[in-house]
Amino acid sequence: GAGVSQSPSNKVTEKGKDVELRCDPISGHTALYWYRQSLGQGLEFLIYFQGNSAPDKSGLPSDRFSAERTGGSVSTLTIQRTQQEDSAVYLCASSLNPSIYEQYFGPGTRLTVT
Amino acid sequence: SQQGEEDPQALSIQEGENATMNCSYKTSINNLQWYRQNSGRGLVHLILIRSNEREKHSGRLRVTLDTSKKSSSLLITASRAADTASYFCATDEGSGGSNYKLTFGKGTLLTVNP
Repeated sequence: GAGVSQSPSNKVTEKGKDVELRCDPISGHTALYWYRQSLGQGLEFLIYFQGNSAPDKSGLPSDRFSAERTGGSVSTLTIQRTQQEDSAVYLCASSLNPSIYEQYFGPGTRLTVT
Repeated sequence: SQQGEEDPQALSIQEGENATMNCSYKTSINNLQWYRQNSGRGLVHLILIRSNEREKHSGRLRVTLDTSKKSSSLLITASRAADTASYFCATDEGSGGSNYKLTFGKGTLLTVNP
């Protein structure tokens, strides 16, 4: 079946602009996760959704970052007033539920802030 | 901070040889997982080992876990050029913490030369 999909695959934006990154999890997966991968920091957890609720936002680096999930499916990660340090690959993952530990990752969105 | 740390950072071998990667972590865990990443994009789950398990096999993969030393190893036998990728260990937060929130190491870049 279809895996996790993310769009766009690449995004180049100017410093100060807002960007929206989209994630379509595997159908039926109630748990959804966002991670960020950058050269200096490796893979960092950003936020976790169970259904439409985000019980754990502890990894969001600043209040410029927000995320929502609607219909228990699609999620959008929004970065406002982008900075150059936001440049990274943003990865989305889903799992059947949070008790199923194996996470299925999407291909990521490579964000470049110029 | 990074929970898991892999070593070596990079490993280059010939096709047919075995590859061993190690992971060390700092705090207690419930489960440890290994993931593979090709070309800096999506991660693929390889294997999960629980804290009460010492060894697990999956095809050409063998994972060991030593909770007393807080370390794990991933052995890939009879390597193939297609095994060329980065390999990450991922740990959860252990008892009292979440199982879903994974902390990844910085990875081992494995190159298998034909």
